[in-house]
Amino acid sequence: AQKVTQAQTEISVVEKEDVTLDCVYETRDTTYYLFWYKQPPSGELVFLIRRNSFDEQNEISGRYSWNFQKSTSSFNFTITASQVVDSAVYFCALSEPLNDYKLSFGAGTTVTVRA
Amino acid sequence: GAVVSQHPSWVICKSGTSVKIECRSLDFQATTMFWYRQFPKQSLMLMATSNEGSKATYEQGVEKDKFLINHASLTLSTLTVTSAHPEDSSFYICSAYSLYNEQFFGPGTRLTVL
Repeated sequence: AQKVTQAQTEISVVEKEDVTLDCVYETRDTTYYLFWYKQPPSGELVFLIRRNSFDEQNEISGRYSWNFQKSTSSFNFTITASQVVDSAVYFCALSEPLNDYKLSFGAGTTVTVRA
Repeated sequence: GAVVSQHPSWVICKSGTSVKIECRSLDFQATTMFWYRQFPKQSLMLMATSNEGSKATYEQGVEKDKFLINHASLTLSTLTVTSAHPEDSSFYICSAYSLYNEQFFGPGTRLTVL
């Protein structure tokens, strides 16, 4: 069964538009970690954020923000005022003790920002 | 942040040959490293967990005799693709697990088998 679902396969926006990436996860653990990674065309994974299950505060880092809702098992990611450099594949991932803290990745969402 | 390197960054080989990929944690010791495979336009799939000083643990469906993993030291894990075939062509990524429950990823190795 898929532990992390990223329903959006591809999103295309024009520069300066906001874009929200959805992530829904499934776990039986009460303690777990959620992550977002960016993978630009070069292939190297760029760590964006880690959030533990006990911290439901939303977070903002520059143009990036994250909305963690345990009630709906979602950890959505928003890029505000998108730029061409934001074009990449974005992965949501889950790490849980029941799975030896291995990372389970979602299928990824390809974001294309057009000038 | 911690740095993980991979070598080589890309390799092209003939079918039937073996290829070794190195993963190094440059500024921290990692008792556990992970190896992932990523096919084009797909997500990362965990292949195996590499533990220093012991045998690797392979995920279901991954052939341990084909993908040999050696974690010889606290800073080095190697993945050897034996008798590579075109279907083994993929992007291989390693990560190293720090003491603080964080995974740091290498830049990846692109393998093309002709």
